[in-house]
Amino acid sequence: QQQVKQSPQSLIVQKGGISIINCAYENTAFDYFPWYQQFPGKGPALLIAIRPDVSEKKEGRFTISFNKSAKQFSLHIMDSQPGDSATYFCAASNADSGTYKYIFGTGTRLKVLA
Amino acid sequence: GAGVSQSPSNKVTEKGKDVELRCDPISGHTALYWYRQRLGQGLEFLIYFQGNSAPDKSGLPSDRFSAERTGESVSTLTIQRTQQEDSAVYLCASSLASGRSYNEQFFGPGTRLTVL
Repeated sequence: QQQVKQSPQSLIVQKGGISIINCAYENTAFDYFPWYQQFPGKGPALLIAIRPDVSEKKEGRFTISFNKSAKQFSLHIMDSQPGDSATYFCAASNADSGTYKYIFGTGTRLKVLA
Repeated sequence: GAGVSQSPSNKVTEKGKDVELRCDPISGHTALYWYRQRLGQGLEFLIYFQGNSAPDKSGLPSDRFSAERTGESVSTLTIQRTQQEDSAVYLCASSLASGRSYNEQFFGPGTRLTVL
């Protein structure tokens, strides 16, 4: 019940295309859903995050869509660029178990072709 | 300003040896976290320090793992009698005081541990 399932495992997109990464969870107590971006040899960095009281959050080319009833959330990268090539992790947390305890997905390796 | 730093960046050790990994958090960050990242997997929470409070050790996989933190500064993660399954990247992160607010966790570059 504590798992966050992420798909796909890897993704190849042409430059200018839309990259879509999906995550699903079971624990309805989760109330914070961040996405992290990790470049090779670097630690993950927070990209964008959403709370379940909104269905969508957009920051530049990055959008999180959240479907509370389906217990799913996804990351959309519009106009994907080669510089977006990285591994993306979704995560979830709930205040009852400590806001610091993030449950991470297994990651999606994105490659954007020039 | 400096981010989270970790040392060493790479560590190769023989099975059965002890290893010590170091993390220097961002100055002023009272919360510090250790995660393990196995190949092809997500980040696995290990331990959390918040100021002078008792650390949350609930993620440590066995009693061979331990961590210490001196005040609100450096932390060390120690793995005793290393096993091959301990091979992973160990990531440290720090943030402003946690609690019931979601403060961004800033990650270091990690230490890649290989146990032969």
